[in-house]
Amino acid sequence: KAGVTQTPRYLIKTRGQQVTLSCSPISGHRSVSWYQQTPGQGLQFLFEYFSETQRNKGNFPGRFSGRQFSNSRSEMNVSTLELGDSALYLCASSRYTDTQYFGPGTRLTVL
Amino acid sequence: DQQVKQNSPSLSVQEGRISILNCDYTNSMFDYFLWYKKYPAEGPTFLISISSIKDKNEDGRFTVFLNKSAKHLSLHIVPSQPGDSAVYFCAARLSNTGNQFYFGTGTSLTVIP
Repeated sequence: KAGVTQTPRYLIKTRGQQVTLSCSPISGHRSVSWYQQTPGQGLQFLFEYFSETQRNKGNFPGRFSGRQFSNSRSEMNVSTLELGDSALYLCASSRYTDTQYFGPGTRLTVL
Repeated sequence: DQQVKQNSPSLSVQEGRISILNCDYTNSMFDYFLWYKKYPAEGPTFLISISSIKDKNEDGRFTVFLNKSAKHLSLHIVPSQPGDSAVYFCAARLSNTGNQFYFGTGTSLTVIP
């Protein structure tokens, strides 16, 4: 069974721009969660989508948004990028409310 | 507010010995715990889980222990192998919150051949 895939793997943007990241979950998984990882901060929960509905949201500003499609694929959008948004963005999928399996991540650099 | 803490940023162990990684949490409403292993530039890889109704779970060389009264979780790796060298994260989920997990900041394990 194919794992979680994320595209693109690397991205360079400038301040003020917006960016969209994509995540394809493991087949049959309906929950997709997004995390931000920065040095020394561990993984910070952004939001979770389940069956196209946002089920949970972390403490991030409204510039961070997401959505999930009927095939469970998910996108995350960050508008008006700031230097502090430079991070590894990880997507994880699970069937319902159980173990999460992570993708390789998208490395975003904001200049 | 860091609800899940890994107080040891790094750990070095000789090959063949036991590695013990620790994790403390503050919220008694956490009901499901996971350990992940992460290599640089890769996503975390799931290792082992434990539900709050258990106090131990084993999978090969990996054993997770849960002490609910102390709000403490530990991962034992026996025997340790050089390939185990990575950053280990513990994660905890609040009950009835879907799949919102809180992660520790990680412990970097180095297994010395």
